[in-house]
Amino acid sequence: QAVLTQPSSLSASPGASASLTCTLRSDINIGTYRIYWYQQKPGSPPQYLLRYKSDSDKQQGSGVPSRFSGSKDASANAGILLISGLQSEDEADYYCMIWHSSVYWVFGGGTKLTVL
Amino acid sequence: EVQLVESGGGLVQPGGSLRLSCVASGFTFSSYEMNWVRQAPGKGQEWVSLISSSGSTMYYADSVKGRFTISRDNAKNSLYLQMSSLRAEDTAIYYCASLTYGYWGQGTLVTVSS
Repeated sequence: QAVLTQPSSLSASPGASASLTCTLRSDINIGTYRIYWYQQKPGSPPQYLLRYKSDSDKQQGSGVPSRFSGSKDASANAGILLISGLQSEDEADYYCMIWHSSVYWVFGGGTKLTVL
Repeated sequence: EVQLVESGGGLVQPGGSLRLSCVASGFTFSSYEMNWVRQAPGKGQEWVSLISSSGSTMYYADSVKGRFTISRDNAKNSLYLQMSSLRAEDTAIYYCASLTYGYWGQGTLVTVSS
């Protein structure tokens, strides 16, 4: 089972909100982890969006709009990237990432967000 | 402005070797641990290797352990990846990155093919 699991695709309408999930393998407790989120558009490197561990331990990437926010769903053992007020420019691939002591840095498989 | 500029990619035959370089500017390179991350065509990101700020500690993904060597020269603000025994599955864009701080280069393409 993969360390981080993301849905392969998600569609949402302009102006709506999109909730992208990143589920940790069941033997890894999300409580102690910082979840990093990246956005990648075709032909470009990933762009750092934010990291989230808790409301007191979070960081927004430089220049990243506040409509991008992070949270956790402990009951689902998942990190969440919430994008509010969706715009066409938000259409991209989104990756989550954590540091795990046994595998070091690990990425989720990515979610392709379509805004239509 | 933070900049990471990779170079050294290209076409190489299976079993061959290649050395990637990354030059950093706009931040105190010697204080940052650095990584190589790759992305195969049409695939997601795969972490490859990490080196501590001093260069004393290195980690590798199982897929490259024993074949790739990461190093750095803090005096030259440079990060390196020596790749040997290359395989077709190593074909990817290779990015130099500070993952903790979200700094990424534009990447350099490595193609392993006969």
